[in-house]
Amino acid sequence: DAGVIQSPRHEVTEMGQEVTLRCKPISGHNSLFWYRQTMMRGLELLIYFNNNVPIDDSGMPEDRFSAKMPNASFSTLKIQPSEPRDSAVYFCASSFGTGGDEAFFGQGTRLTVV
Amino acid sequence: GENVEQHPSTLSVQEGDSAVIKCTYSDSASNYFPWYKQELGKGPQLIIDIRSNVGEKKDQRIAVTLNKTAKHFSLHITETQPEDSAVYFCAASRADSSYKLIFGSGTRLLVRP
Repeated sequence: DAGVIQSPRHEVTEMGQEVTLRCKPISGHNSLFWYRQTMMRGLELLIYFNNNVPIDDSGMPEDRFSAKMPNASFSTLKIQPSEPRDSAVYFCASSFGTGGDEAFFGQGTRLTVV
Repeated sequence: GENVEQHPSTLSVQEGDSAVIKCTYSDSASNYFPWYKQELGKGPQLIIDIRSNVGEKKDQRIAVTLNKTAKHFSLHITETQPEDSAVYFCAASRADSSYKLIFGSGTRLLVRP
């Protein structure tokens, strides 16, 4: 398996634009996580899906952020409208099981909002 | 909710020496404690993990210890090599329906040749 695949690797956008980040989890994994990494706040869990259903979205910072998982092999994280403070590296991770299992991370998407 | 504190934030050691990174957690119900290594431009990668029914686990040059009473766990790297240089994160979670992997703030390890 190629691992968790995220796209794009880098995204530069202007403030106010919509941004969509994409993730393909490892085949067979039933849990998917979106994390945000910044120098100030470290690694923060934004949302967690299990069997394509959002289980915990308490980490989503505000209504501008939304995430979907239409099927077991694809998830999106959307920011609309984007703001400069959204600039960060966004990671997608997947695991087999609901907890206490290794989470495999993708390479991340570096988002810059200018 | 769970809070994980990690120390030190930076650590510089001579090649061949040992490195120790320490973490404390607040939720006594946490029972899974992984350690991740993140290299520049890459996502975190699991290097070792420990569960609450075990006090110590080793994998070659890497070991993790867990003290549930004190709610702290540590990563030990022996015979460090330059390729060990990276950022290391500890994490804690509860393996139940409220699963949430909470990360420490990270330790930047530099191994000097």
